[in-house]
Amino acid sequence: DAMVIQNPRYQVTQFGKPVTLSCSQTLNHNVMYWYQQKSSQAPKLLFHYYDKDFNNEADTPDNFQSRRPNTSFCFLDIRSPGLGDAAMYLCATRDRVKYNEQFFGPGTRLTVL
Amino acid sequence: GNSVTQMEGPVTLSEEAFLTINCTYTATGYPSLFWYVQYPGEGLQLLLKATKADDKGSNKGFEATYRKETTSFHLEKGSVQVSDSAVYFCALKLWDYGQNFVFGPGTRLSVLP
Repeated sequence: DAMVIQNPRYQVTQFGKPVTLSCSQTLNHNVMYWYQQKSSQAPKLLFHYYDKDFNNEADTPDNFQSRRPNTSFCFLDIRSPGLGDAAMYLCATRDRVKYNEQFFGPGTRLTVL
Repeated sequence: GNSVTQMEGPVTLSEEAFLTINCTYTATGYPSLFWYVQYPGEGLQLLLKATKADDKGSNKGFEATYRKETTSFHLEKGSVQVSDSAVYFCALKLWDYGQNFVFGPGTRLSVLP
């Protein structure tokens, strides 16, 4: 089945130690999103790509970076994780032409020790 | 600005009870409206959607009708099951709002046997 895959599902890192979360999709969607979600609150958009065009939300900390080397893959890099960055990170995709809705991956739960 | 308001949870119901979760929105244009569901430890799944006024979205016994006159998109189900226990998010997307979605704060539903 076509889908959005996130690896790993659970990630533990140490305070200040860089970490990378990955997202891949077999849907061939041109838009990919990264969200941060804490305690079942509303997902907070960090950034999104429309094809290769990167769009950063104004309040996304500089500590968060992203890469999209091709249509299928997108990475979230947290350069120096703090305790406040512990959260669920959700990747989502969307085909701008065909679909109105987003398709979400299962998420990666990040723990910062 | 654009925003989504949902009834605060948690909502606790007995199995087979009737469910309503209220959602109202503020938008500068004519949005598409969505309900997403999030089960514990998982990503968001699209439950149903509506793209224009008076549209009714339905799926798995859940329904919601796009009411332009009251700017509402209330979620209903006639008989809930324990397996419906989850967090429900109402969201909107404006065609001229780039690629961004606006999510409500979420409503946690617990269904007791």
